[in-house]
Amino acid sequence: TQLLEQSPQFLSIQEGENLTVYCNSSSVFSSLQWYRQEPGEGPVLLVTVVTGGEVKKLKRLTFQFGDARKDSSLHITAAQPGDTGLYLCAGDNYGQNFVFGPGTRLSVLP
Amino acid sequence: DAGITQSPRHKVTETGTPVTLRCHQTENHRYMYWYRQDPGHGLRLIHYSYGVKDTDKGEVSDGYSVSRSKTEDFLLTLESATSSQTSVYFCATSTGTDTDTQYFGPGTRLTVL
Repeated sequence: TQLLEQSPQFLSIQEGENLTVYCNSSSVFSSLQWYRQEPGEGPVLLVTVVTGGEVKKLKRLTFQFGDARKDSSLHITAAQPGDTGLYLCAGDNYGQNFVFGPGTRLSVLP
Repeated sequence: DAGITQSPRHKVTETGTPVTLRCHQTENHRYMYWYRQDPGHGLRLIHYSYGVKDTDKGEVSDGYSVSRSKTEDFLLTLESATSSQTSVYFCATSTGTDTDTQYFGPGTRLTVL
């Protein structure tokens, strides 16, 4: 069974701080996705990374896919209260199915 | 949004009763998925469908069945609900390519007493 681990599980920071969350696996994925989920809603896709070593930026969010396509990181610069939510990573098993990590719950305090 | 709705949004039922959750999409996406989300476990795949009447099991399929008689509808049935099936259930759709996006519905909170 493929597993994705995410760390930290919980993170509480002040507005304006930087943070990095991690997604790790012993398995190789064809692509990896990051989602953000707010309370009472379904996850919403933030980004898909496909190539080993790939870096994608989405405003203050920077996503990196590991060279071996087994891990990924999400870095947020100058966090804002609107960044609060559950961040999920999901590995695409070569089109067969998606494997989700347990998530990092981020709280950004004003 | 991919036009995904789920019904009901909330349900409380008793152990041993049958329960059916419905997912409806308006995007004509080929793939549809049912997940459950529990604290500490993330999203776990229950069943998925790759076309009308074409379904397959996911990671946690025991105690669940699905049906897809139309492209737009994917039903999840708990034949005899148990307390361990208390969870939030999410439906998702995708077009099916290997770098594809999954679009999620708003979820159904199910409580089995």
